Amino acid sequence: AQSVAQPEDQVNVAEGNPLTVKCTYSVSGNPYLFWYVQYPNRGLQFLLKYITGDNLVKGSYGFEAEFNKSQTSFHLKKPSALVSDSALYFCAVRDGPGGFKTIFGAGTRLFVKA
Amino acid sequence: DADVTQTPRNRITKTGKRIMLECSQTKGHDRMYWYRQDPGLGLRLIYYSFDVKDINKGEISDGYSVSRQAQAKFSLSLESAIPNQTALYFCATSDPGTHNTGELFFGEGSRLTVL
Repeated sequence: AQSVAQPEDQVNVAEGNPLTVKCTYSVSGNPYLFWYVQYPNRGLQFLLKYITGDNLVKGSYGFEAEFNKSQTSFHLKKPSALVSDSALYFCAVRDGPGGFKTIFGAGTRLFVKA
Repeated sequence: DADVTQTPRNRITKTGKRIMLECSQTKGHDRMYWYRQDPGLGLRLIYYSFDVKDINKGEISDGYSVSRQAQAKFSLSLESAIPNQTALYFCATSDPGTHNTGELFFGEGSRLTVL
């Protein structure tokens, strides 16, 4: 069965500093990996995805994520955090082209302090 | 206008009442989903539908039912609401794309409180 773990409930970072939000996954086949962001009182918005190819994926709002197959990780990164990046971030996995369901992690709340 | 619209956005009801949450989309996607969000648990899949005639149970379907009235409409019902169904509910759609790589598009959510 597929699963996703986000080991940190909360990440705190100062504005201008780099940020990392961690995600590890487990699937039986080749994973399709996604990051979504949720701002207060809003639905989830797609940030980026890894399907195949280059392990470093670039997405919206300056975010990027690195796929590491040996460590089964897909950490979200940004070189310089903004206060407006403060939100709830979800990692999600789908079990390759045959997978019908997207499974979400518990979410990590990011606080960026000015 | 939002591509995925959920109604109502907020609802307070009593134990034992029947509740329907509605979702409509203008994205033209065949695939639609209902998720439930609880703090610390992320999103859990309740039901999903790949077309009007194809409806499937997700992880936590007990106590819920769905209806796919048209390609654009997918409703979630709680036949007899109970307090532990208090949660934030999301409808989502997707276009499978090539090799099922499509991401999900979410509505704004329906916050349900069962007293």
